Amino acid sequence: AQRVTQPEKLLSVFKGAPVELKCNYSYSGSPELFWYVQYSRQRLQLLLRHISRESIKGFTADLNKGETSFHLKTPFAQEEDSAMYYCALGDSNYQLIWGAGTKLIIKP
Amino acid sequence: GAGVSQSPRYKVAKRGQDVALRCDPISGHVSLFWYQQALGQGPEFLTYFQNEAQLDKSGLPSDRFFAERPEGSVSTLKIQRTQQEDSAVYLCASSLRGNGYTFGSGTRLTVV
Repeated sequence: AQRVTQPEKLLSVFKGAPVELKCNYSYSGSPELFWYVQYSRQRLQLLLRHISRESIKGFTADLNKGETSFHLKTPFAQEEDSAMYYCALGDSNYQLIWGAGTKLIIKP
Repeated sequence: GAGVSQSPRYKVAKRGQDVALRCDPISGHVSLFWYQQALGQGPEFLTYFQNEAQLDKSGLPSDRFFAERPEGSVSTLKIQRTQQEDSAVYLCASSLRGNGYTFGSGTRLTVV
């Protein structure tokens, strides 16, 4: 079955600390994976996608097919990084399967 | 337009009332998606359009839910005889191709 798992509902770290938001997936084909972010009172927006292999706002994510993971990382968390983060899997040419999301809180 | 626009931003409906939620996608975006997001949950797929064709409506929870996109641009999600369990944020997203979605701000529906 196609599934995206984000095991942490909430992650709270101090400013300047490293952050890793976990995402594991289950998919039989070649996955296309995304991280979306939703800041307070704002719309969902694409943070990064694995095929572009870019770093956005200090965040990176590496697709590990062996571990079926796509964890999101930043070495130094900023207060403005506080938000909901969703991992999503593209299972066909149009549909995304979403994880339940992780709420990231950066403490000052 | 510059982004995906949804209206109304908030809607309070009495149980049993019909509601219509509007989505104005980015001009030229072929694909349009509706999602339902319950509190504390990730988005759940409802339906998908490619131009005016509704290619997938497997996520619509009941026959009270109906979506249309008659001219391949603006889309309307209609919910008939609303129930309390319909309370959620309804998200619209559009895409030029594949999976690069742009989301609207959503419509928060509260059924009382």
